[in-house]
Amino acid sequence: GAGVSQSPRYKVAKRGQDVALRCDPISGHVSLFWYQQALGQGPEFLTYFQNEAQLDKSGLPSDRFFAERPEGSVSTLKIQRTQQEDSAVYLCASSLGVYQETQYFGPGTRLLVL
Amino acid sequence: GESVGLHLPTLSVQEGDNSIINCAYSNSASDYFIWYKQESGKGPQFIIDIRSNMDKRQGQRVTVLLNKTVKHLSLQIAATQPGDSAVYFCAEIRGRGSQGNLIFGKGTKLSVKP
Repeated sequence: GAGVSQSPRYKVAKRGQDVALRCDPISGHVSLFWYQQALGQGPEFLTYFQNEAQLDKSGLPSDRFFAERPEGSVSTLKIQRTQQEDSAVYLCASSLGVYQETQYFGPGTRLLVL
Repeated sequence: GESVGLHLPTLSVQEGDNSIINCAYSNSASDYFIWYKQESGKGPQFIIDIRSNMDKRQGQRVTVLLNKTVKHLSLQIAATQPGDSAVYFCAEIRGRGSQGNLIFGKGTKLSVKP
């Protein structure tokens, strides 16, 4: 596609429910990043993939968060047993190569946990 | 008008005036910097980038200045337009050895008065 797409755009979950957020990066982009953006804050890094390999997951806030990119293109961020503090916008970004490449962001998924 | 970026999160300018948004970064090892624009409900949009071996870079109506001595970055927007109204984030990537996840500042909200 022309840009990074994410789905769903909005998700309302009850506390304790599992959710899955999808990211379609720009075709051919090697690197894929997930960020979490709280209201009024800048995005914060969650995890990084180079092709299908998850090279850095140091930003994932707990073991309830899991991400995968099994074929090196589409990625899914899964949050198990959601809690209210998980409410945020989840942004996906991709870049063509590795190391200091411009990252292009999707529109984000706004998650609200009630 | 001027903003000190992280210390003054809002900037209001008259249409047609020049805008200056400032950002301080903390890590002297950072060697790649990007300015992003984020409109309400959208993901961050790339504006301009600069590497640490440069001190100035110009784009269309935008200029980024980098002062490594005081670890300061600024974004200048010429002839500010209503469509420039958004939150502006500076972001850094720390060092060639990192895989490239962005470290974002808190952002400055720019409001353009017609």
